[in-house]
Amino acid sequence: NAGVMQNPRHLVRRRGQEARLRCSPMKGHSHVYWYRQLPEEGLKFMVYLQKENIIDESGMPKERFSAEFPKEGPSILRIQQVVRGDSAAYFCASSLTGDYSNQPQHFGDGTRLSIL
Amino acid sequence: GENVEQHPSTLSVQEGDSAVIKCTYSDSASNYFPWYKQELGKRPQLIIDIRSNVGEKKDQRIAVTLNKTAKHFSLHITETQPEDSAVYFCAARNTNAGKSTFGDGTTLTVKP
Repeated sequence: NAGVMQNPRHLVRRRGQEARLRCSPMKGHSHVYWYRQLPEEGLKFMVYLQKENIIDESGMPKERFSAEFPKEGPSILRIQQVVRGDSAAYFCASSLTGDYSNQPQHFGDGTRLSIL
Repeated sequence: GENVEQHPSTLSVQEGDSAVIKCTYSDSASNYFPWYKQELGKRPQLIIDIRSNVGEKKDQRIAVTLNKTAKHFSLHITETQPEDSAVYFCAARNTNAGKSTFGDGTTLTVKP
């Protein structure tokens, strides 16, 4: 059973460009979470999605950031018009179920985004 | 929202000694508390978790204790080894929300 797959592992963008980060959850998992991690800091929640639905986006900036998890295909975290402050590691996690249960979240290897 | 505080931020122990990392949480509705280990440049990996109906859980050299009244939980690592060196994160989850709130991490260094 393959784990959570994220790609690309490393992404370099210039200021003003768009960044697209992809996450394929573990097989059978329908709940996806995106976290952001700055160097030597903890994991900060951004958004929680189920297939075709955003459940909680309270941690995601209102501007320039968006996320989706379509019926088919991976979850996408999209950052438009990137700025230097967007440089971070972005981790995706998935779980078998979400609410009303205590299923653990399994993390991918992350995408390290660098903004020039 | 939930607030999780983790202490200490750094911890250095001699090989063979025990290490204890403590976390407090604010939301009394949280009922699931996982611990993750993250090695440099790698993914966070779940090492142990505890649910609110249990006070203690042990898995070989790792144990977690939970005090719901005081809203704190701790990770205990006994007989530490150099390969235990990593950043450890605690987290708390509310049953009404899928997201987990993480502590800021503890960098554990085990000296040979």
